[in-house]
Amino acid sequence: GAVVSQHPSRVICKSGTSVKIECRSLDFQATTMFWYRQFPKQSLMLMATSNEGSKATYEQGVEKDKFLINHASLTLSTLTVTSAHPEDSSFYICSARDPGLAGLNTQYFGPGTRLTVL
Amino acid sequence: GQNIDQPTEMTATEGAIVQINCTYQTSGFNGLFWYQQHAGEAPTFLSYNVLDGLEEKGRFSSFLSRSKGYSYLLLKELQMKDSASYLCAVRDETGGYNKLIFGAGTRLAVHP
Repeated sequence: GAVVSQHPSRVICKSGTSVKIECRSLDFQATTMFWYRQFPKQSLMLMATSNEGSKATYEQGVEKDKFLINHASLTLSTLTVTSAHPEDSSFYICSARDPGLAGLNTQYFGPGTRLTVL
Repeated sequence: GQNIDQPTEMTATEGAIVQINCTYQTSGFNGLFWYQQHAGEAPTFLSYNVLDGLEEKGRFSSFLSRSKGYSYLLLKELQMKDSASYLCAVRDETGGYNKLIFGAGTRLAVHP
């Protein structure tokens, strides 16, 4: 199946710093990628939809100036958490839609990034 | 609005069969997915239904009734490694673009 990588897998940072997370589709081109956040024992909450070459679409309640998304190529999207605070500590997961599977548009998920803000 | 409901927790015995139900309400339905997620890991794709009926894939089967807004995931011959969270996700096309909306997940514990 399609492979999506994410880097870093874990990051610990001080409050007020910015953290960049990369998401790559390794064996397919993804015009659309998605960023999710998951708190312990909760489900995935969609933060934003990232479209290659255009602005991301943010879900209601997600601050676009705090969570900067860049989708500069068909295989790479980045999420930057700016001025991170302890309440931003969470598991961030990206996914990429594989258009190659006819009519399915299945989303494949990266392994996630565990962010801890001290 | 969108609403997806599934049980929070279930337990079952190794070798048995378990059915995890999911009900949903969404205005732009275009398919339902089931994912498996082990603790601390990303979800992995299990199944996809867009038409009514049963889709079988090995030990796992998924059923969809669009008129009832209902789906279930059936796991047969349970193994200990099946202990995980199972996420029901609906593809919603409201607003002209589609996205996956996830339920809260069902934590399944398989006991010997």
